Amino acid sequence: DAGVTQSPTHLIKTRGQHVTLRCSPISGHKSVSWYQQVLGQGPQFIFQYYEKEERGRGNFPDRFSARQFPNYSSELNVNALLLGDSALYLCASSTQNREETQYFGPGTRLLVL
Amino acid sequence: GENVEQHPSTLSVQEGDSAVIKCTYSDSASNYFPWYKQELGKRPQLIIDIRSNVGEKKDQRIAVTLNKTAKHFSLHITETQPEDSAVYFCAASKGGYQKVTFGTGTKLQVIP
Repeated sequence: DAGVTQSPTHLIKTRGQHVTLRCSPISGHKSVSWYQQVLGQGPQFIFQYYEKEERGRGNFPDRFSARQFPNYSSELNVNALLLGDSALYLCASSTQNREETQYFGPGTRLLVL
Repeated sequence: GENVEQHPSTLSVQEGDSAVIKCTYSDSASNYFPWYKQELGKRPQLIIDIRSNVGEKKDQRIAVTLNKTAKHFSLHITETQPEDSAVYFCAASKGGYQKVTFGTGTKLQVIP
């Protein structure tokens, strides 16, 4: 079964660089959420998108931005990378904007040096 | 905003024993409480969830209870097996566009 997919799986960047992470939701799912998971902690909510519109935003700086495309895939962009941005970035999809059950992708592990 | 606290942070049990993980939440408007299991290097996987109109839900060896008055919910795993070893996260949400807030996780080790 085609679950949530994310690319790339791993990424190494240096401070000040920019990164783009990609996510494809489960077929039929229209909502995508992004989370940051620092080692040893629970996932922290970054954004939720539904029908290409931002529906929710967590407590992250403006360096973080995202968008959703007509096919419901999504990109997370992070500018001016800091060492503290090193984390596992998870994408989760759900069927509708009011459907709480979220299914996670495998994540992109970002290391900022 | 919502704050979810989770205890204990680590839990070791003998195979066959039961394991209980407890969470509390702060926002009385939260109405959806999922539990995720995350194995090392893998994605969080939903194992069970409960909504605020239900006090208890069971799925084979896993059960979750919810006390809305006290604002706490618990995960119970019976007859634990080595493959139950993982990090478990509780979470809370108000549904709709509201974010899902996760607890800090419990590392469960089942000793054969």
